[in-house]
Amino acid sequence: DTAVSQTPKYLVTQMGNDKSIKCEQNLGHDTMYWYKQDSKKFLKIMFSYNNKELIINETVPNRFSPKSPDKAHLNLHINSLELGDSAVYFCASSQDVAGNTYNEQFFGPGTRLTVL
Amino acid sequence: GQNIDQPTEMTATEGAIVQINCTYQTSGFNGLFWYQQHAGEAPTFLSYNVLDGLEEKGRFSSFLSRSKGYSYLLLKELQMKDSASYLCAFLDSNYQLIWGAGTKLIIKP
Repeated sequence: DTAVSQTPKYLVTQMGNDKSIKCEQNLGHDTMYWYKQDSKKFLKIMFSYNNKELIINETVPNRFSPKSPDKAHLNLHINSLELGDSAVYFCASSQDVAGNTYNEQFFGPGTRLTVL
Repeated sequence: GQNIDQPTEMTATEGAIVQINCTYQTSGFNGLFWYQQHAGEAPTFLSYNVLDGLEEKGRFSSFLSRSKGYSYLLLKELQMKDSASYLCAFLDSNYQLIWGAGTKLIIKP
């Protein structure tokens, strides 16, 4: 009965490869997010999706592309991986992104990506 | 512009009280969160403040002063399991969460 799940938990790959990270939430939330947490522990928002529409797209390289087949899934595809992409990537979800209620975010366990 | 700042690391003793401060600057504000993150794990929600004042939840309390751009997280009766990073984040005018770098709290016996 995991709320937000990600696969894989660990990903080690060579520079230049293309990889995907999958995320699923069973909370019925409207909004899902992808964060990157680097070695300095800053959590940086990358993308968020609300009802299958991209609503925040931070200035991340276009090598990163989010794909949402349905409201419960938000996958992250990365092309031509670079050394600087090594980080922990967290998926998260919340009930709503705006409005009068706060959007507590529930995080997945994270995917530790290492690019060699 | 926007920024958020909190101490990098703090040390406290088991059973004691510790206060972790967070200051922020933003033109639009829709509330402030505190999250706890144990090493190698995902952040988990602790508290949310949108009005000035103190919110108490068990051993943890969170305070907000919007006019000062200031919040703190107060942890009482510290336990070894409280060793973690504590992240503050505010919701800006676009309801986007802006995160601090986190405060690593070390609890000593």
